Amino acid sequence: EVQLEESGGGLVQPGGSLRLSCAASGFTFRSYWMSWVRQAPGKGLEWVANIKPDGSEKNYVDSLKGRFTISRDNGKNSLYLQMSSLRAEDTAVYYCARCAVAVTGVAVAGGDWGPGTLVTVSS
Amino acid sequence: QSALTQPASVSGSPGQSIAISCTGTSSDVGGYNYVSWYQQHPGRAPKLMIYDVSNRPSGVSNRFSGSKSGNTASLTISGLQTEDEADYYCCSFSSSSTYVFGTGTKVTVL
Repeated sequence: EVQLEESGGGLVQPGGSLRLSCAASGFTFRSYWMSWVRQAPGKGLEWVANIKPDGSEKNYVDSLKGRFTISRDNGKNSLYLQMSSLRAEDTAVYYCARCAVAVTGVAVAGGDWGPGTLVTVSS
Repeated sequence: QSALTQPASVSGSPGQSIAISCTGTSSDVGGYNYVSWYQQHPGRAPKLMIYDVSNRPSGVSNRFSGSKSGNTASLTISGLQTEDEADYYCCSFSSSSTYVFGTGTKVTVL
């Protein structure tokens, strides 16, 4: 069974930094694209970034380029999101997702999702 | 990378069919057959319901179906049930190997 568990969320002051982690299990982590998606309170989903299985390709939503960095450690079956220069509008639940449909392996924005971790940017 | 456009809300009675539209551009919905749909209940993570425009993952009811014409994709829910009440989001692959989500639609079962 695919399991994804985000951690690292919490309260951070504007201008601060935070690193989110996502622990993966139940599948061969090093074989899949992974992504981060966020959702501000009461708002819709926003795709943030994804990363190739070997980490050699990373894609970001234009609005976050330069402030957020996605990375992975295949030896630890973990995905990360380094966030810097945080703003109030970055307040959201951050989800990690496996970019494949279960069984078929077809690429998709998010085939399996973690429960999310809440990041609150406030003074 | 503007969000895809969805109606804010759609409603229907149990047993009826409803359709949710998702309008983008030739750089996303119209340019690729990589539209997916997600169901999200309050306080829960999204769940994949449709991928590649019209394919259902294993375990998803065949009451859910997807289609696309030009720059607009659609999700149809037939035989509406109370448990279908949720938020629904479309998502499309876009240029520069990125993805873009829709604005979201709240489905209400009357």
